[in-house]
Amino acid sequence: QKEVEQNSGPLSVPEGAIASLNCTYSDRVSQSFFWYRQYSGKSPELIMSIYSNGDKEDGRFTAQLNKASQYVSLLIRDSQPSDSATYLCAVRIAAGNKLTFGGGTRVLVKP
Amino acid sequence: KAGVTQTPRYLIKTRGQQVTLSCSPISGHRSVSWYQQTPGQGLQFLFEYFSETQRNKGNFPGRFSGRQFSNSRSEMNVSTLELGDSALYLCASSRDSANEKLFFGSGTQLSVL
Repeated sequence: QKEVEQNSGPLSVPEGAIASLNCTYSDRVSQSFFWYRQYSGKSPELIMSIYSNGDKEDGRFTAQLNKASQYVSLLIRDSQPSDSATYLCAVRIAAGNKLTFGGGTRVLVKP
Repeated sequence: KAGVTQTPRYLIKTRGQQVTLSCSPISGHRSVSWYQQTPGQGLQFLFEYFSETQRNKGNFPGRFSGRQFSNSRSEMNVSTLELGDSALYLCASSRDSANEKLFFGSGTQLSVL
């Protein structure tokens, strides 16, 4: 079992709709969770961080964390073509205290 | 404020050679992490340096090594290159080891022929 898992996609979403991305992790004691966005040919950039159970909203993005079920999700509201990218889930794994990334979910927003 | 700077941007090497990649973190950042990114494996953690000390290491062979200088700049070295080492090598910096928000450089694209 991988430490951080994501559906690779592509997740195809019509413009204006909500894109929902999921991520599961194996280390039950992980405390820090992040979503990065990576455009093709570019480096990852941080878009959200979340540390406690529940929802955290930032503009059109909402991160949701459920530690009991060991999953973290990202919602993108009013999706725009410019949101087309690969979204990487990252978890600070307690063992070794290293930031571990999932394989990423490719999102395609179609006009 | 300048971002994370990685040099060179592109490298072409042949099997058996060695390579050194450089990373200059954001001013004031003391932690530098290195990642290898490939289409098949995604982002794989190589190592993290903080105040010139290696704090964490990923599951890579000893051919992969690194160091950090007193000005927080970091280098990573890969010796005896193999075809499978072809990848994008990304460096990321953060203010300190406990600060978990990483800022990535543009990466070095290494091709091993």
